[in-house]
Amino acid sequence: NAGVTQTPKFQVLKTGQSMTLQCAQDMNHEYMSWYRQDPGMGLRLIHYSVGAGITDQGEVPNGYNVSRSTTEDFPLRLLSAAPSQTSVYFCASSYWPPYGYTFGSGTRLTVV
Amino acid sequence: GESVGLHLPTLSVQEGDNSIINCAYSNSASDYFIWYKQESGKGPQFIIDIRSNMDKRQGQRVTVLLNKTVKHLSLQIAATQPGDSAVYFCAERIGNTPLVFGKGTRLSVIA
Repeated sequence: NAGVTQTPKFQVLKTGQSMTLQCAQDMNHEYMSWYRQDPGMGLRLIHYSVGAGITDQGEVPNGYNVSRSTTEDFPLRLLSAAPSQTSVYFCASSYWPPYGYTFGSGTRLTVV
Repeated sequence: GESVGLHLPTLSVQEGDNSIINCAYSNSASDYFIWYKQESGKGPQFIIDIRSNMDKRQGQRVTVLLNKTVKHLSLQIAATQPGDSAVYFCAERIGNTPLVFGKGTRLSVIA
């Protein structure tokens, strides 16, 4: 089992560029989510999904889009990158309701 | 939403001693709690969980205590080792909702 796979591990973007962070899981988990982690801020929920075709906003959704066309994949799209989106992004998955997430290894994003 | 807080942002412990990491939560409706460990450059890793109908749960070298009266959660690590150095997060859940994470406590083990 690969668990939760995130790509890329590192990315540098220029302000205004768009990109997609990939997340895939092979555990047949219903629930998938994206968090961002900033120093001193802990993990903040961006978007989540409880199944294919179902998504919902978390605490900090502005500037990000998601879709869930398959159970395995949950990509996060940055529409027009801003320096405030510089962060480490984690994807997590679990069965629903969640009794413990499995996290990916993270994507470190820098917007200049 | 409700926040999950921590009493101490950093904790230094001598190798071999026991560590206690504390967490306060504010929503009495929270029914499930988890502790995660995050090593530098890695994603958070599940340590132990507890449901609100329990007061204590033990794992290998770790114990989680839940005091619902004062809305307090603690993680005890026995015989702390250098490999325990990491940031520890508590998280809570209210029914069928995503987990809410605290800001984390950094544990440093002094050899």
